Amino acid sequence: QVQLVESGGGVVQPGGSLRLSCAASGFNFSPYGMHWVRQAPGKGLEWVAFIRYDGLYKYYSESVKGRFTISRDNSKNTLSLHMSSLRPEDTAVYFCARDNTGEHPHYFEYWGQGTPVTVSS
Amino acid sequence: QTVVTQEPSFSVSPGGTVTLTCVLNSGSVSSSHYPSWYQQTPGQPPRTLIYATDTRSPGVPGRFSGSILGNKAALTITGAQADDESDYYCVLYLGNGISVFGGGTKLTVL
Repeated sequence: QVQLVESGGGVVQPGGSLRLSCAASGFNFSPYGMHWVRQAPGKGLEWVAFIRYDGLYKYYSESVKGRFTISRDNSKNTLSLHMSSLRPEDTAVYFCARDNTGEHPHYFEYWGQGTPVTVSS
Repeated sequence: QTVVTQEPSFSVSPGGTVTLTCVLNSGSVSSSHYPSWYQQTPGQPPRTLIYATDTRSPGVPGRFSGSILGNKAALTITGAQADDESDYYCVLYLGNGISVFGGGTKLTVL
């Protein structure tokens, strides 16, 4: 069955960097677009970024553009999110999610369990 | 700035019917926005309920249905059950790779 397992979350100081990973299994990873979605404590869900199946196109929310970088390694079935210049408002649980298509986002078909990130001094 | 708005909270009686909506501040919601709906309980990842406006995800009970009502996307629960008490989120695809979540609706069944 489809499994998405996030890792790399933790506590980081404001201005710091962190790299999240999402290990995919149970399906052929390379044809599918992938997303990162986050949820701040007690708040709603927020779409963060999308990467096309081949990694050639990447899209970001305005709140993270220029600070976060989404990437993928299809040979290792892994999705990543490199986060830099972190702010306290980036504190959230970060979920990876698989889209049901490869080129353009349609919807979040499968979800991981999430990894928590806390930005605090 | 594009904003997607949902009712912050809603209440329904067991066995009752409730319709949650998803409004786009920049215009009407259409099928080209690929409206989708997600259910989330505390401490859990979201569960996908509806995609492409009105298609139920595998395993989702038939009491959940999606539609476009006027200029909004809608999620209707017909015959609500106690375990439907959750947060519900809509998502709209705005084009150019950008998706936006609504603020979520907290549904109470009592």
